[in-house]
Amino acid sequence: GENVEQHPSTLSVQEGDSAVIKCTYSDSASNYFPWYKQELGKGPQLIIDIRSNVGEKKDQRIAVTLNKTAKHFSLHITETQPEDSAVYFCAAPSSASKIIFGSGTRLSIRP
Amino acid sequence: DTEVTQTPKHLVMGMTNKKSLKCEQHMGHRAMYWYKQKAKKPPELMFVYSYEKLSINESVPSRFSPECPNSSLLNLHLHALQPEDSALYLCASSQGRGSTYEQYFGPGTRLTVT
Repeated sequence: GENVEQHPSTLSVQEGDSAVIKCTYSDSASNYFPWYKQELGKGPQLIIDIRSNVGEKKDQRIAVTLNKTAKHFSLHITETQPEDSAVYFCAAPSSASKIIFGSGTRLSIRP
Repeated sequence: DTEVTQTPKHLVMGMTNKKSLKCEQHMGHRAMYWYKQKAKKPPELMFVYSYEKLSINESVPSRFSPECPNSSLLNLHLHALQPEDSALYLCASSQGRGSTYEQYFGPGTRLTVT
């Protein structure tokens, strides 16, 4: 089955700087990679995803890159703001109807 | 509208109680999920319903009993729970079969078993 590893587990950046979170996956057949943001006391929110037929996708300050050869994908947040503070999870398909989450990254934005 | 609603928001129950968690979506999604999330951990899949039929049970103890009355509603019936079952229970939905559809999560029910 699929295995997803996520790094770092915690990340602190100065407001306005960029943040990068990285994930690796094991199953070369995986073709869909979502990123979720979970704020305190809330459910995970899908913020961006990428499919294996593209190498990069952007949505305003958020971007995701995918390297299928190396089997890793990354979340990039530019011009970080206080509201970006949250736990971020990457995920990958495990089988039909299932996704496996990474262990999570707690992102803190320093004022 | 990408909203999944869950009730109640918080629930405290004793080990002999019977309670139910409810989840609702009106996005026309045909797959619905129950996840369990412990503190500082990622969500763990419990059950998947696809087109109102149970398609995945991740070896969940029988004290958790899911039900999908129709394509918009998902329940989780709880009976004789243990303190270690205390967690955030999340409901999610997606468009249909397959893991390549976006899953949208509800806010969760914070369950405490005393």
